[in-house]
Amino acid sequence: DAGVIQSPRHEVTEMGQEVTLRCKPISGHDYLFWYRQTMMRGLELLIYFNNNVPIDDSGMPEDRFSAKMPNASFSTLKIQPSEPRDSAVYFCASSFRHGGTGELFFGEGSRLTVL
Amino acid sequence: ELKVEQNPLFLSMQEGKNYTIYCNYSTTSDRLYWYRQDPGKSLESLFVLLSNGAVKQEGRLMASLDTKARLSTLHITAAVHDLSATYFCAVANTNAGKSTFGDGTTLTVKP
Repeated sequence: DAGVIQSPRHEVTEMGQEVTLRCKPISGHDYLFWYRQTMMRGLELLIYFNNNVPIDDSGMPEDRFSAKMPNASFSTLKIQPSEPRDSAVYFCASSFRHGGTGELFFGEGSRLTVL
Repeated sequence: ELKVEQNPLFLSMQEGKNYTIYCNYSTTSDRLYWYRQDPGKSLESLFVLLSNGAVKQEGRLMASLDTKARLSTLHITAAVHDLSATYFCAVANTNAGKSTFGDGTTLTVKP
């Protein structure tokens, strides 16, 4: 398997623009997670899905953030409108929990810079 | 609410020395994970500990789990520069599908 695939790897945008980050999890995994990492706040869980259903979005900072998982092989995290404080590395991870060990497999991350 | 505490948060070691990173957690769990993150890179899984008394070793790293004490340790033997990275422990929430991460321990091994 190719692992968790994220795109874009780097994104530079201006404040107010819409940003869409994409993730393809490992085939057969039943959980998908979106994390954000910054120097100031460390690693934060934003939202996670089980079998394409959002389970806990309490980590989503505000209404400007939204996430979807229309099918088992694709998820998006959207920020609209973006702000400079959204600058961070966004990681997608997937796991196989029920029947597996539940360890997370992370994508390479999407580095977002909002000017 | 599950809380995970790692210590130390920063560790500077000389090559060849031994040291231990500690991971304490607040509520019962049956799964604990260690991850490594190199600077500017993603996180990768190092160890999965699934039962009390579990011990896993790879190279100079050894991880153990004591579920009764709610404690895991990551022991570094004869450190080398290549081990410089940030190490995270993560504890599975028994009643949810997610894991709670510690703040990470940034290890710097000096020659």
